Amino acid sequence: DIVLTQTPLSLSVTPGQPASISCKSSQSLLHSDGKTYFYWYLQRPGQPPQLLIYEVSNRFSGVPNRFSGSGSGTDFTLKISRLEAEDVGVYYCMQSILLPPTFGQGTKLQIK
Amino acid sequence: QVQLVQSGAEVKKPGSSVKVSCKASGGTFSNYPINWVRQAPGQGLEWMGGIIPIFDTGNYAQKFRDRVTITTDESATTVYMELSSLRSEDTAIYYCARLTSSNNNDFWNGPFDSWGQGTLVTVSS
Repeated sequence: DIVLTQTPLSLSVTPGQPASISCKSSQSLLHSDGKTYFYWYLQRPGQPPQLLIYEVSNRFSGVPNRFSGSGSGTDFTLKISRLEAEDVGVYYCMQSILLPPTFGQGTKLQIK
Repeated sequence: QVQLVQSGAEVKKPGSSVKVSCKASGGTFSNYPINWVRQAPGQGLEWMGGIIPIFDTGNYAQKFRDRVTITTDESATTVYMELSSLRSEDTAIYYCARLTSSNNNDFWNGPFDSWGQGTLVTVSS
């Protein structure tokens, strides 16, 4: 199975400040079709996960533009340009280039 | 976008089975894999398996292959997940989620873009 390793595992950020989360894959997520099957999710307390970013850098419908994704191959980053209170929760990276789909351990983001 | 509504919380004895349902409405159902992802208390997300309703074919994680069965009632736009031989470690929230593939040649390459609300299964004697 593909292993995704997130850093840091917890993060405390002042509102209005930026935040950044890294995710490293045990193998390349670049498919022969040219797409990279890598995603970011946010799980707010008591809620199911919600899709934020698909295929590395594309914001899902309704996701604010303060969220951005970057990276390639095995190294990926999620950035929040200016943290808002509603961004609190656990962030997960995920891959689906190969079955089984796997998730990172999660990064808990809190307000400082 | 499809809405997924799951059945209610369950309390089960060790050794028994549980069957959780996931009903889809408002979007495309049959052509996309419906998956089951579980989350133990305070833990991360774990894919258990999924099924493509139109083909009635499933894929399962190795860890669950001998205990989980995912089925579909296409006319009712509902997918079921049955987990047998329950133990305390199976206490978790079970989510269904639709995978929308962006690969024309593989149904399984894509994100989970719609999720159910989750079903808490508690295994306790």
